Amino acid sequence: DQQVKQNSPSLSVQEGRISILNCDYTNSMFDYFLWYKKYPAEGPTFLISISSIKDKNEDGRFTVFLNKSAKHLSLHIVPSQPGDSAVYFCAASDRRALTFGSGTRLQVQP
Amino acid sequence: NAGVTQTPKFQVLKTGQSMTLQCAQDMNHNSMYWYRQDPGMGLRLIYYSASEGTTDKGEVPNGYNVSRLNKREFSLRLESAAPSQTSVYFCASRRDRGSGYGYTFGSGTRLTVV
Repeated sequence: DQQVKQNSPSLSVQEGRISILNCDYTNSMFDYFLWYKKYPAEGPTFLISISSIKDKNEDGRFTVFLNKSAKHLSLHIVPSQPGDSAVYFCAASDRRALTFGSGTRLQVQP
Repeated sequence: NAGVTQTPKFQVLKTGQSMTLQCAQDMNHNSMYWYRQDPGMGLRLIYYSASEGTTDKGEVPNGYNVSRLNKREFSLRLESAAPSQTSVYFCASRRDRGSGYGYTFGSGTRLTVV
């Protein structure tokens, strides 16, 4: 049973518009949620995280929103740039290790 | 500043052969991890080591063994490779338990078992 789910395998947006990537989780014991970005033939790189006691965290063009009651988080990228094209993984931490979603491939069209 | 270094980057094995994937970090991190990534499935935890001298199973440990050789190095061994172990393997490290960030990943080992 997947504890972290990303239901959209792919997303395509125009340059300059907003990209919204979604993630759902089932385990209430997760204490942090993280987003990683991955290019082909490279390891995942950390993008942004949020504590389970917060509902929003912002870092430049990237904002993560957490809705604990719905067990849902989202990553907003504004404005989207062609260099943002990559696979984005949602991950959740339970102090032991990270549990990953299956990823969403974002394509930003120039 | 190398971060997490994995060797080899690519490997082809025949079914039944054995091999060890090497991982080393130079950030003085306590925790180290091995994940595998398969198409459409994200990264799944194989084994982890919370500190030198300790190892624990993750979600998919069958067919693998690990050794935390010292604080820097964490190796993953396949004793008898199977085609189902064809995957990309990522090693990661983290400084403190309970941190919401600080995981650093290596660039991966692409393993094919024929």
